[in-house]
Amino acid sequence: GQQLNQSPQSMFIQEGEDVSMNCTSSSIFNTWLWYKQDPGEGPVLLIALYKAGELTSNGRLTAQFGITRKDSFLNISASIPSDVGIYFCAGHPSMRFGAGTRLTVKP
Amino acid sequence: GAVVSQHPSRVICKSGTSVKIECRSLDFQATTMFWYRQFPKQSLMLMATSNEGSKATYEQGVEKDKFLINHASLTLSTLTVTSAHPEDSSFYICSAQGYSNQPQHFGDGTRLSIL
Repeated sequence: GQQLNQSPQSMFIQEGEDVSMNCTSSSIFNTWLWYKQDPGEGPVLLIALYKAGELTSNGRLTAQFGITRKDSFLNISASIPSDVGIYFCAGHPSMRFGAGTRLTVKP
Repeated sequence: GAVVSQHPSRVICKSGTSVKIECRSLDFQATTMFWYRQFPKQSLMLMATSNEGSKATYEQGVEKDKFLINHASLTLSTLTVTSAHPEDSSFYICSAQGYSNQPQHFGDGTRLSIL
């Protein structure tokens, strides 16, 4: 079956630092999605990517759909304490999720 | 836009009870709804995909007679955990999708605790 690898598993950073996380898939995706989940809540969509090579921003967040269609990255610039949470990648057509990246931001 | 409501948010019940969880898309029509289960400190595991008016497609290892899914309308899907046991305790999350390749939007999840 399809393998979806997300890294890093966790990150501990200082407020103001930039963050980068990525996902790779064993098969081609048509769409890459990045979500954030806070404890006890459902995931919230951050960015959706629809085309290979696409680079999309949402405030301090930037994500790219890899040219091979098998990878994507998410960058967060100038992190703030409310960025704390778990970030997941997912994609079509499988609708499966990566293992998540747990982000901790120290004030 | 794209609001998904999931109810109840929390259920605590005795072993052997059947529990129904509802997932509604409030401001769009969902041709496809997805059900996930999430154990503590783990990722979301896809259980099944349901399309309005047809039988759900279950992932390998998920018992369809145990987890009954009904997607009777374009705005409502239900998951019934039948004869629940303590090992079924988990966080169940639904999501809804308008058209294929559109992003899924998630409900806030249901925390199920079986005593």
